[in-house]
Amino acid sequence: GAGVSQSPSNKVTEKGKDVELRCDPISGHTALYWYRQSLGQGLEFLIYFQGNSAPDKSGLPSDRFSAERTGESVSTLTIQRTQQEDSAVYLCASSRRDGPQETQYFGPGTRLLVL
Amino acid sequence: GDSVTQMEGPVTLSEEAFLTINCTYTATGYPSLFWYVQYPGEGLQLLLKATKADDKGSNKGFEATYRKETTSFHLEKGSVQVSDSAVYFCALRGYGQNFVFGPGTRLSVLP
Repeated sequence: GAGVSQSPSNKVTEKGKDVELRCDPISGHTALYWYRQSLGQGLEFLIYFQGNSAPDKSGLPSDRFSAERTGESVSTLTIQRTQQEDSAVYLCASSRRDGPQETQYFGPGTRLLVL
Repeated sequence: GDSVTQMEGPVTLSEEAFLTINCTYTATGYPSLFWYVQYPGEGLQLLLKATKADDKGSNKGFEATYRKETTSFHLEKGSVQVSDSAVYFCALRGYGQNFVFGPGTRLSVLP
């Protein structure tokens, strides 16, 4: 597609439920990133995928968070047993991993509200 | 580790005023530097970038110069418009590393 797409655009869930967020990167982009943006805050790095390498999970805040990506295609971010503090906008970005010129392209985000 | 510091917001200016948003960084080596903008209700968009010392990135009237001696990448615009109201994020990427974003600076331009 023309850009990074994410779904759903909005998600309201009850505390304790599991949610799954989806990201479709730009075709040909080998790198995919997930970030979390809480209200009025900056971007918090969550996880990074590069091709078929093991993902960098160093930003995941707890073991309730996990993400998968098959090859260089779609990625899903799963949050189990959601808590109210998980409420945020979850942003996905993709890029060509091409050294200093690398530029991330962001999706519109999924706004998650945990009641 | 690498880090980015931005001036605290919010910044409120009148239309046609001069804008400066300060950004300084800490990184090993020679990172690439970026400014991203997030308009209300939208995702982040790349505004401009610079990949080596003394490079100047520019776009839509905005400019930023990569200053290695002061480890800075300040964003400037000579005459802001109401449509420039957004949150601006400074970011860096060290070689072989992930991106590091600053906390963002909210700009409000009043007519």
